[in-house]
Amino acid sequence: DIQMTQSPSSLSASVGDRVTITCRASQSISSYLNWYQQTPGKAPKLLIYAVSTLESGVPSRFSGSGSGTDFTLTISSLQPEDFATYYCQQSYSTPLLTFGGGTKVEMK
Amino acid sequence: EVQLVESGGGLVKPGGSVRLSCEASGFTFSSFWMNWVRQAPGRGLEWVANIKQDGNEKYYVDSVEGRFTISRDNAKTSMYLQMNSLRAEDTAVYYCARSRGSLPHNFDSWGQGTLVTVSS
Repeated sequence: DIQMTQSPSSLSASVGDRVTITCRASQSISSYLNWYQQTPGKAPKLLIYAVSTLESGVPSRFSGSGSGTDFTLTISSLQPEDFATYYCQQSYSTPLLTFGGGTKVEMK
Repeated sequence: EVQLVESGGGLVKPGGSVRLSCEASGFTFSSFWMNWVRQAPGRGLEWVANIKQDGNEKYYVDSVEGRFTISRDNAKTSMYLQMNSLRAEDTAVYYCARSRGSLPHNFDSWGQGTLVTVSS
């Protein structure tokens, strides 16, 4: 089974900050990596798929990079609506799919 | 507009059963893989099961294999999750989620979720 590890598990940041979240796979997953955003009490929302492609309607301050086992989600300038929990998810082993443990972005 | 609406959650005793439903609208249901994803209280997301467009392929996370059964009725644009032999650790919000493409790679639309609580 492919394990996905996110770091940090939480971080504190201020509006305007550049935020970086890391996701590491237990084996190479090529470019089969997606990112989701979840706010409290809401369903997750797909932000980025295939490492770096923004889902329709997602602001350009979000970006993704990486390949193989190491991936990054970057928010270039944190906005108030970006305080949320972010999850990575691999689909290399599709149809069997796994998520990372999540990274909570909190207000400093 | 894509809509996914889950129902069927509630309080169930350990060892009991429950059937979740997901009613879809706003898209051609029969053209998409469909998934169940769950989230235990205060925890992260866990993919549970998925089913191919024609219902002929089904896959499960190891922890539910043999206890849960996913199914779909394309005529009713609905998906189901029959959950048997429930355990406390199955307590979670269960989301219905759609996947684009010939294989499921991501979840591009989600329902609002339905809470299943397994407790005596």
